[in-house]
Amino acid sequence: KAGVTQTPRYLIKTRGQQVTLSCSPISGHRSVSWYQQTPGQGLQFLFEYFSETQRNKGNFPGRFSGRQFSNSRSEMNVSTLELGDSALYLCASSLIGGGNIQYFGAGTRLSVL
Amino acid sequence: DAKTTQPTSMDCAEGRAANLPCNHSTISGNEYVYWYRQIHSQGPQYIIHGLKNNETNEMASLIITEDRKSSTLILPHATLRDTAVYYCIVSRENQGGKLIFGQGTELSVKP
Repeated sequence: KAGVTQTPRYLIKTRGQQVTLSCSPISGHRSVSWYQQTPGQGLQFLFEYFSETQRNKGNFPGRFSGRQFSNSRSEMNVSTLELGDSALYLCASSLIGGGNIQYFGAGTRLSVL
Repeated sequence: DAKTTQPTSMDCAEGRAANLPCNHSTISGNEYVYWYRQIHSQGPQYIIHGLKNNETNEMASLIITEDRKSSTLILPHATLRDTAVYYCIVSRENQGGKLIFGQGTELSVKP
């Protein structure tokens, strides 16, 4: 069974631009969570989607948004990029009823110049 | 969610057992202890979890004290590939897809 796939793996953008990251969960997994990882703040929860609905949200500004499609694939969008948005963005999928066992992708490394 | 405290770093000799401690003195009765690890440049990987009984799987063992205020993750025969940051997370079973990661323990397995 294929794992969680995130695309692209690397991305370079400039301040003020927007970016869209993609995540394909493990087949059969309907919950998708997103995290941001930076050296200073560590791993921080962004939001979680299930059945195309955002169920849970972390403490990030409204510039960070996401969505989930009917096939459980998810995208996250960051608008008006700032230098501080440079980070590794990780997506994780899980089974509903699977507790907190999440399966992570390799991440998208975003650099904002 | 309960807060966890872990040592910042630890060393272990290859082939020896690695014992990683975690304090979670404010854990609630319905909160589980989860362990994840993150090898450099990869996404975190689930290792094991438990409520109050000791647990073992093919990767590791989890020992939870009787008062549940602390736990230890044991890698029985550490290899160089076990070098990673290990995260101890305390959470209710269905937390809506939200894991709260602390700073973790950086384990270095040395030859």
